[in-house]
Amino acid sequence: DTGVSQDPRHKITKRGQNVTFRCDPISEHNRLYWYRQTLGQGPEFLTYFQNEAQLEKSRLLSDRFSAERPKGSFSTLEIQRTEQGDSAMYLCASSLGGRGYEQYFGPGTRLTVT
Amino acid sequence: TQLLEQSPQFLSIQEGENLTVYCNSSSVFSSLQWYRQEPGEGPVLLVTVVTGGEVKKLKRLTFQFGDARKDSSLHITAAQPGDTGLYLCAGGVKTSYDKVIFGPGTSLSVIP
Repeated sequence: DTGVSQDPRHKITKRGQNVTFRCDPISEHNRLYWYRQTLGQGPEFLTYFQNEAQLEKSRLLSDRFSAERPKGSFSTLEIQRTEQGDSAMYLCASSLGGRGYEQYFGPGTRLTVT
Repeated sequence: TQLLEQSPQFLSIQEGENLTVYCNSSSVFSSLQWYRQEPGEGPVLLVTVVTGGEVKKLKRLTFQFGDARKDSSLHITAAQPGDTGLYLCAGGVKTSYDKVIFGPGTSLSVIP
């Protein structure tokens, strides 16, 4: 068990550019979550996958955000036409059905939009 | 809207001191998790409590879930510099999936 991994760890982009982040969950976990965290705040829920199905999306997830989990394994989060307000830590977590509240987080991707 | 509040927001103590941080809500949660997060890293799960009044111990850390399952506390005995970090509580909400609501965290600094 290698834990949840995320790539890249840091991303600096210019306003208006598109960015894509990847998350590899713990291999036997069928549930995957994306969160956003800004300084001084706890993680805010963005979206949830059970296997390959995206079952829940937060109102925080504007039309510029899209997430996929094509084969029920890794997931990607894409932000189109980035804005300075998108600057944050993007966290991925995974969990096992039946103990879904116990979520295991990756190290996060720190996005800075200049 | 279910919200979790944490207090204090910041805490700076000397090594060896004891401390308690609190997590409160007006809502009932089906479970309560505590995480510790270090700068630039993701949160690390410390414990889950599910039963009202439940107490769990993890070395020098003691976690308690309130009887009404609306609040929780984390007590650290003889704090060490390695305890420094952001302590987050997270409440489990019964929905169509295992939704978790996070509090804003308590930032703890233990000074050697």
